[in-house]
Amino acid sequence: QVQLQESGPGLVKPSQTLSLTCTVSGGSISSGDYYWSWIRQPPGKGLEWIGYIYYSGSTYYNPSLKSRVTISVDTSKNQFSLKLSSVTAADTAVYYCARVSHWITMTSWGQGTLVTVSS
Amino acid sequence: QSALTQPASVSGSPGQSITISCTGTSSDVGSYNLVSWYQQHPGKAPKLMIYEGSKRPSGVSNRFSGSKSGNTASLTISGLQAEDEADYYCCSYAGSSTPHVVFGGGTKLTVL
Repeated sequence: QVQLQESGPGLVKPSQTLSLTCTVSGGSISSGDYYWSWIRQPPGKGLEWIGYIYYSGSTYYNPSLKSRVTISVDTSKNQFSLKLSSVTAADTAVYYCARVSHWITMTSWGQGTLVTVSS
Repeated sequence: QSALTQPASVSGSPGQSITISCTGTSSDVGSYNLVSWYQQHPGKAPKLMIYEGSKRPSGVSNRFSGSKSGNTASLTISGLQAEDEADYYCCSYAGSSTPHVVFGGGTKLTVL
């Protein structure tokens, strides 16, 4: 049973870069069967797809966030990461990592981590 | 890209059936049989309930079913139970030039 766990700072200052890591256990990121995704949810609001990465490093991003997002993978650590630059209060959200098959089937999710953007 | 359109709320009594709609466009829902549905209880991560439009993952009750017609996908829950009360989100592939994903705004299901 694959498990995902997000980690990173819970508080980020405006204009800085948000950085999160997702550690995968119980399965290999390099298996090639899945994409690995970041999704976020502002408090009291709906889900928003941020992007995903394949173990080879191929990435696809939400067009509305593309200019600020970088997703990377470290197969040696079985981790993938998110960087979101120039953050504002609108980026305050619970950030989830997920395992994805067939482009949009998010079969496993992390528990989520709240990131607050505030000075 | 615009979010898929879902009703903000639906309700039903125990034992009844309800349907949640998810309306997209010919660029997403209408072009691909790649719609998934997620259930989210307060404070919890979403859970996959339906994938590829109508398939149920192992362990999901057969009271949950999915379908699609044109640009609209639907999730039907039959025999409503108290534990079905949650938020439900649809999600569609929106390929066009590069792969990407779009979610619906979410529907709050209340079991009366």
